[in-house]
Amino acid sequence: QEQLQQSGPGLLRPSQTLSLTCAISGDSVSSNSAAWNWIRQSPSRGLEWLGRIYYRAEWSTDYAESVKSRLTFTADTSKNQFSLQLNSVTPEDTAVYYCAGGWALFSWGQGTPVTVSS
Amino acid sequence: DIVMTQSPDSLAVSLGETATVNCKTSQSVFYSPDNKDSLAWYQQKPGQPPKLLIYGASKRGSGVPARFSGSGAGTDFTLTISGLQAEDVAHYYCQQYYRLPLTFGGGTKVEIK
Repeated sequence: QEQLQQSGPGLLRPSQTLSLTCAISGDSVSSNSAAWNWIRQSPSRGLEWLGRIYYRAEWSTDYAESVKSRLTFTADTSKNQFSLQLNSVTPEDTAVYYCAGGWALFSWGQGTPVTVSS
Repeated sequence: DIVMTQSPDSLAVSLGETATVNCKTSQSVFYSPDNKDSLAWYQQKPGQPPKLLIYGASKRGSGVPARFSGSGAGTDFTLTISGLQAEDVAHYYCQQYYRLPLTFGGGTKVEIK
């Protein structure tokens, strides 16, 4: 089973850009049967799916409507990892961010606590 | 979006007894090409990510003990923990993967009585 290792900063100021990376071992980011998700968790919103990136002859993404205008997912096949960029963060984006693989989410990263505060 | 409603919010069960968590979806999550319900259950302990317990409504994930079982179909699902052990104290969540956006229940906290 694959393992996911997250990296990225945990403290941001409002209006900054959140960048997180999820490195995959035991599977390929460009697998034709995989989907790579980002999910966040906060006391106020619970578990919230942010979107996914996957490869089926070409790269595709799906984003949650609530963050669609600020969110970008990318994949790096040379490093076997995928990334999240969330622009113009506000305190409401404070949460623990997870990467996860699958539709039923079989594997999860360790989580990155992100705090947005001035 | 498919709304996931879990009940109860919390429950306390004696060691060795049975804990039952319910999940209701706002529409059917039955995926006919697979002949399965697209419903998963997760266990989350403090400071850890969720861990997949059940997928396809009733299939145990890799390494998940047999005391965890899932049942139900269509819009009503149940997670049963038979013979509760101390290490089962956690939050439990249901999730549908039938339709985007993926959505989760609000969680059920299971404690020892």
